[in-house]
Amino acid sequence: ELKVEQNPLFLSMQEGKNYTIYCNYSTTSDRLYWYRQDPGKSLESLFVLLSNGAVKQEGRLMASLDTKARLSTLHITAAVHDLSATYFCAVALRDDKIIFGKGTRLHILP
Amino acid sequence: NAGVTQTPKFQVLKTGQSMTLQCAQDMNHEYMSWYRQDPGMGLRLIHYSVGAGITDQGEVPNGYNVSRSTTEDFPLRLLSAAPSQTSVYFCASSRDRGRFYGYTFGSGTRLTVV
Repeated sequence: ELKVEQNPLFLSMQEGKNYTIYCNYSTTSDRLYWYRQDPGKSLESLFVLLSNGAVKQEGRLMASLDTKARLSTLHITAAVHDLSATYFCAVALRDDKIIFGKGTRLHILP
Repeated sequence: NAGVTQTPKFQVLKTGQSMTLQCAQDMNHEYMSWYRQDPGMGLRLIHYSVGAGITDQGEVPNGYNVSRSTTEDFPLRLLSAAPSQTSVYFCASSRDRGRFYGYTFGSGTRLTVV
């Protein structure tokens, strides 16, 4: 059974600071996704990571994947208030089941 | 393109009632799935389908039925609603099982069972 663990589950940080969200998973996988969810809204796709060493960046967010360590990171650079949201990682199994972590609720203080 | 459309947006059911949550996509996506989202639990996979006529169970399938008679539609049926099924339900689809593209989510259905 695949387990996907995110930490921290809640993060409060100051604008301008850097921080990293971690996503560990328990079974071999070749696909990992990051999503953003604003309160009361649906999920928005941020990144699709498909191979070991994959790195993708969009604005102040950068995601990476280490399949050997079964670890993905979402790094936030010089945080701004607009990045306040809940961030989910999700991992794909070989039978195409997609399993989500519990999410990291990010609150950026002005 | 409308994307992934879920109806209704809100629903209140009495315990024991049945209902169908609708999900439709107009992007010709093969893969569709249903999730439920509960506070502190993230999203949990209920059922998914890799194409018309093919469905499979996810993490929490009990109490829910699905069918996939067309590529466009993937309805979720609650046969006898229970308070434990109070949740927000999301439908998602993907053009290539998410192998290169992510998944597109609908806007959700907020279901309350009393």
